[in-house]
Amino acid sequence: GAGVSQSPRYKVAKRGQDVALRCDPISGHVSLFWYQQALGQGPEFLTYFQNEAQLDKSGLPSDRFFAERPEGSVSTLKIQRTQQEDSAVYLCASSSPVGGGGGEQYFGPGTRLTVT
Amino acid sequence: EDQVTQSPEALRLQEGESSSLNCSYTVSGLRGLFWYRQDPGKGPEFLFTLYSAGEEKEKERLKATLTKKESFLHITAPKPEDSATYLCAVQAGRAGNQFYFGTGTSLTVIP
Repeated sequence: GAGVSQSPRYKVAKRGQDVALRCDPISGHVSLFWYQQALGQGPEFLTYFQNEAQLDKSGLPSDRFFAERPEGSVSTLKIQRTQQEDSAVYLCASSSPVGGGGGEQYFGPGTRLTVT
Repeated sequence: EDQVTQSPEALRLQEGESSSLNCSYTVSGLRGLFWYRQDPGKGPEFLFTLYSAGEEKEKERLKATLTKKESFLHITAPKPEDSATYLCAVQAGRAGNQFYFGTGTSLTVIP
């Protein structure tokens, strides 16, 4: 398919473990976003990439969260020393506008992280 | 502070009973307003983009409108398959990469 894919779909981690969540955006999409969605809430912005450059990371909740997109396509969101409050669905979205973030975003199915 | 508020939180309609969902916003430098549909266990699915007050977009039983302070998603003669959570998001900021989502309206259409 040509949509955004994310893996794994489900992840259970013990408190203190590190996790890595992967996002494959739509081919050719310049912009990539990560969001965190708690149960019953709307997505909350975490970070934004334009190609390989991370232009905004103001939404990352702590320095335990780290994101990268080294070749301007696949992105990885890493959470170190997971805590129970990190339990949420992590959504990735991509969009196509060149030269700036925004426009309609296409979302992946998300990774549901549960920290026990 | 930039903010997006959706109402009602939940809405139950009989099949064929038209209604409207509201999204009010206070952001500086609005670049666009987006409506998404989200089914359980899935990522949001794009529906509409609105850029300026007075603009309207339609798709099947859905119509989105925009004023300077709020947007409405009108659902005409809904069907059970329209049941989902509807999310509103605004794009703001000088770089246009700040997106703020509301908490959504959970719509249930009863046959």
